[in-house]
Amino acid sequence: QKEVEQNSGPLSVPEGAIASLNCTYSDRGSQSFFWYRQYSGKSPELIMSIYSNGDKEDGRFTAQLNKASQYVSLLIRDSQPSDSATYLCAVKRNTGFQKLVFGTGTRLLVSP
Amino acid sequence: DVKVTQSSRYLVKRTGEKVFLECVQDMDHENMFWYRQDPGLGLRLIYFSYDVKMKEKGDIPEGYSVSREKKERFSLILESASTNQTSMYLCASSGRGLAIDIQYFGAGTRLSVL
Repeated sequence: QKEVEQNSGPLSVPEGAIASLNCTYSDRGSQSFFWYRQYSGKSPELIMSIYSNGDKEDGRFTAQLNKASQYVSLLIRDSQPSDSATYLCAVKRNTGFQKLVFGTGTRLLVSP
Repeated sequence: DVKVTQSSRYLVKRTGEKVFLECVQDMDHENMFWYRQDPGLGLRLIYFSYDVKMKEKGDIPEGYSVSREKKERFSLILESASTNQTSMYLCASSGRGLAIDIQYFGAGTRLSVL
């Protein structure tokens, strides 16, 4: 079982729709969770972090965390073609130094 | 803005060559990281450093070494390049305190070993 699992996609949504990206993790003691966006040929950039159960909103982005079920999700409201990218879920390991474990990413395609 | 600069965007090397990948950050960050990114495998941590001259192995250190002689610079060394080290290499850095979790990435170096 991978430490962090994501569906590779592609997830295709029309412009204006809500895109829902999901991630599950195996280390029940994990406390910190992140979503990075990576455009094709570019490096990842952090878009959201979440540390507590529940929802965290930032503009059109909402991160949701459920530690009991060991999943974290990212909702993108009013999706735009410019949101087309690969979204990487990252989880900080509960032991040792501040190492992030990344999922393989979900590719999102937003069609005009 | 944080800037993480990797010295080369593309490199082509031959099997057996010694390869140096350089990374410089300008935000006085304590922590620096080297990852490789491969299709279907995602980002995997090779080595990281939390201080000058300090280094720790990540998940896939075999075939690699690192050097951090100055705070702003973190080098990845492939002692004897092999074809299975063909990959995209990404350097990242992060600060201390609450910022320790936020990693800033360089543009990446795409290495081809022939």
